[in-house]
Amino acid sequence: GAGVSQSPSNKVTEKGKDVELRCDPISGHTALYWYRQSLGQGLEFLIYFQGNSAPDKSGLPSDRFSAERTGGSVSTLTIQRTQQEDSAVYLCASSLTGTGMSEQYFGPGTRLTVT
Amino acid sequence: GENVEQHPSTLSVQEGDSAVIKCTYSDSASNYFPWYKQELGKGPQLIIDIRSNVGEKKDQRIAVTLNKTAKHFSLHITETQPEDSAVYFCAASKGLTGGGNKLTFGTGTQLKVEL
Repeated sequence: GAGVSQSPSNKVTEKGKDVELRCDPISGHTALYWYRQSLGQGLEFLIYFQGNSAPDKSGLPSDRFSAERTGGSVSTLTIQRTQQEDSAVYLCASSLTGTGMSEQYFGPGTRLTVT
Repeated sequence: GENVEQHPSTLSVQEGDSAVIKCTYSDSASNYFPWYKQELGKGPQLIIDIRSNVGEKKDQRIAVTLNKTAKHFSLHITETQPEDSAVYFCAASKGLTGGGNKLTFGTGTQLKVEL
């Protein structure tokens, strides 16, 4: 079946511009996560959506970052006024539920480069 | 918050040898420990996981051990093959106690299996 898809696969933007990154989770998965992977670093949790509950935004690094999940499916991560330190691979993952050992399936990521 | 340390950062082994990657975590409340394999240009893929009430788990050539007292866990790959070459990440979460399964990752180990 179809896995998690993300678009665009690559995005180059100028410092100060806004960007939107999209994630299409696996159909039927109620939980959705965004992570950031900087060069040579591990993955850093950003935000978590579970069903209709309020999202867990505890990992967002600044108020320039926001995300929404419409209709419990597609999610968009928005970065406003991008900075060079925002350059990273942004990974989305979904899981059947948000608890227990429900496996997180990752998308291929969006590589963001801020020039 | 949780902190996960991972060693070594790079590991080179001969085909057929074993590989061991070690991680330590800081939060004694963590109860779920997955391992992910990431190939170039792809998102991480779960290869094995273990929960805190189990000391060891094995799946064919891959095994994971957990020492709750010492707060460390290890990945063991036996009879390594060239296709095992990738970056491996350990992670920890409190997913078994609810609140979302947001993962804290180690910084990764680049495994190279040489012919």
